[in-house]
Amino acid sequence: SQTIHQWPATLVQPVGSPLSLECTVEGTSNPNLYWYRQAAGRGLQLLFYSVGIGQISSEVPQNLSASRPQDRQFILSSKKLLLSDSGFYLCAWSISGGADEQFFGPGTRLTVL
Amino acid sequence: QQQVKQSPQSLIVQKGGISIINCAYENTAFDYFPWYQQFPGKGPALLIAIRPDVSEKKEGRFTISFNKSAKQFSLHIMDSQPGDSATYFCAAIPFNTGKLIFGQGTTLQVKP
Repeated sequence: SQTIHQWPATLVQPVGSPLSLECTVEGTSNPNLYWYRQAAGRGLQLLFYSVGIGQISSEVPQNLSASRPQDRQFILSSKKLLLSDSGFYLCAWSISGGADEQFFGPGTRLTVL
Repeated sequence: QQQVKQSPQSLIVQKGGISIINCAYENTAFDYFPWYQQFPGKGPALLIAIRPDVSEKKEGRFTISFNKSAKQFSLHIMDSQPGDSATYFCAAIPFNTGKLIFGQGTTLQVKP
């Protein structure tokens, strides 16, 4: 069966510090991968998605970047965090080739102080 | 910009009652409409989904009603239970994109 992992689960970082959040998927090959952000009391916003190694599409211009160094690894990064980067970050995967269901990870709660 | 609008923002229902959450989408080619359930501190989990060629889909106590002409779809939770208390998100995927567009979410509280 497929599983998706995210770490860390929680993170408190000062403004201006760098960020690296990691997501890995097990039990499937060549998945589509997604990063979402959920602000407090709001819906989920798609940040990045990837259909393959090194292929990243950005949905929203911002202070963040994403990379996919391996087939089942997706990383969200920032060089300098802003207060507005605080939120709940969710990674998701779906089967490549047009299937619609997305499976979400447990999320990372990021607080920027 | 493609949008999905969800209402109400919050909902309180007595145990055994029916919970109804509504969503509307704008003029675009969406072809998949999932509903996600999210408990506090957890990632969303797919609850039920429908495609636009079907007007209704039922899975246990959960039913999606879909009105293509009105561009509206709704989630009905029959015999609501305290364990159903969670945040519910409707979503839509534009044809052949794989990109989920979420509604704003509805926080449901089922009182015992």
